[in-house]
Amino acid sequence: DTGVSQDPRHKITKRGQNVTFRCDPISEHNRLYWYRQTLGQGPEFLTYFQNEAQLEKSRLLSDRFSAERPKGSFSTLEIQRTEQGDSAMYLCASSLATSDSPNFGEGSWLTVV
Amino acid sequence: KNQVEQSPQSLIILEGKNCTLQCNYTVSPFSNLRWYKQDTGRGPVSLTIMTFSENTKSNGRYTATLDADTKQSSLHITASQLSDSASYICVVSDRGSTLGRLYFGRGTQLTVWP
Repeated sequence: DTGVSQDPRHKITKRGQNVTFRCDPISEHNRLYWYRQTLGQGPEFLTYFQNEAQLEKSRLLSDRFSAERPKGSFSTLEIQRTEQGDSAMYLCASSLATSDSPNFGEGSWLTVV
Repeated sequence: KNQVEQSPQSLIILEGKNCTLQCNYTVSPFSNLRWYKQDTGRGPVSLTIMTFSENTKSNGRYTATLDADTKQSSLHITASQLSDSASYICVVSDRGSTLGRLYFGRGTQLTVWP
């Protein structure tokens, strides 16, 4: 499977715990995006990488959120001190250029209890 | 403010029927418009992408239209199938941002009944 891969697919955690999600983009894609989606809503932009450089962060990405793409390949999204409002699906997408439609992964579902 | 509005919010049709979903946007300057299909609990899958100069584009039973003057797009689904039940999301990107910022609509939830 050469699509965008996300891990884990589901995560249940207690409030206050830290969680980390991983995204493996399509290998030749240099652009990588993170989005958050809640039920009945479209995806909301969180952050964007071109290669290893994080070029933009949404105001939604509070200081509890951090994303990295250390070698310009896979990316991680860490949420510290999780809150119930963080419960959502976290989507990763990658593309080769801005003119391309990003390819989305299957998402990582987070439930904070 | 750059926005993407979709209508209807939800739609129920019988198998075999046609339907049309609407997308209005205020994103400027416009770069391109995409339609995605998202099955419940899955990631979105691209159906079509249209640039400023394109009026219509087809992908099997899906046909998208774009009127860049009125800033409207539609997605027409022909001869619907049960597997078409999903959320259809309109996504517009702006040309002003070198980052290709994507603006998402909230989606139209389509349910196809047998």
